Amino acid sequence: QKEVEQNSGPLSVPEGAIASLNCTYSDRGSQSFFWYRQYSGKSPELIMFIYSNGDKEDGRFTAQLNKASQYVSLLIRDSQPSDSATYLCAVGSFGNEKLTFGTGTRLTIIP
Amino acid sequence: DTAVSQTPKYLVTQMGNDKSIKCEQNLGHDTMYWYKQDSKKFLKIMFSYNNKELIINETVPNRFSPKSPDKAHLNLHINSLELGDSAVYFCASSPGQGAGETQYFGPGTRLLVL
Repeated sequence: QKEVEQNSGPLSVPEGAIASLNCTYSDRGSQSFFWYRQYSGKSPELIMFIYSNGDKEDGRFTAQLNKASQYVSLLIRDSQPSDSATYLCAVGSFGNEKLTFGTGTRLTIIP
Repeated sequence: DTAVSQTPKYLVTQMGNDKSIKCEQNLGHDTMYWYKQDSKKFLKIMFSYNNKELIINETVPNRFSPKSPDKAHLNLHINSLELGDSAVYFCASSPGQGAGETQYFGPGTRLLVL
């Protein structure tokens, strides 16, 4: 069974601190990894994608991928109350047409 | 400019009814999707079309029938609605097919079956 697993949280982080969100996946053939943010009552919106091992930075966000450990994470630096949302990890394999989503981690930034 | 739009936004209906949800994208994308998100926020693919051709058909009851009249539109018709169909249905699109493509989501249709 191909799965994507995330800690459902809630994860509470003080404002200004680093929030660390984790995701593990079971399919070793996975090659594309996405982080989506979903505010309550809204649709998912793309934060970042990563295809290669290592780190990828975009502003306050850093995605980290370790294919050997089948692990992808999202770091949010200088966390803001507006970062409070559910973060969805999505994983895909080239040759497979679909993304598999995790159940999401609910993040709360405490002012 | 709305990129991916869905109608209606809310849908409340009785068990046994038939209903449709419409989706349109103005991004010029070739691929469109229907997802179901349950109360626990689990987002699961239902169908995908690429240039009007069905490419993903997950294990979904045949009461659900997608239709793509052109590559900018993907509709979802649901027959004989059941209580378990209550969920948020998201339409999404991507430039091409394949799991490496970024998907852009519509605002969702909140379906409540009574």
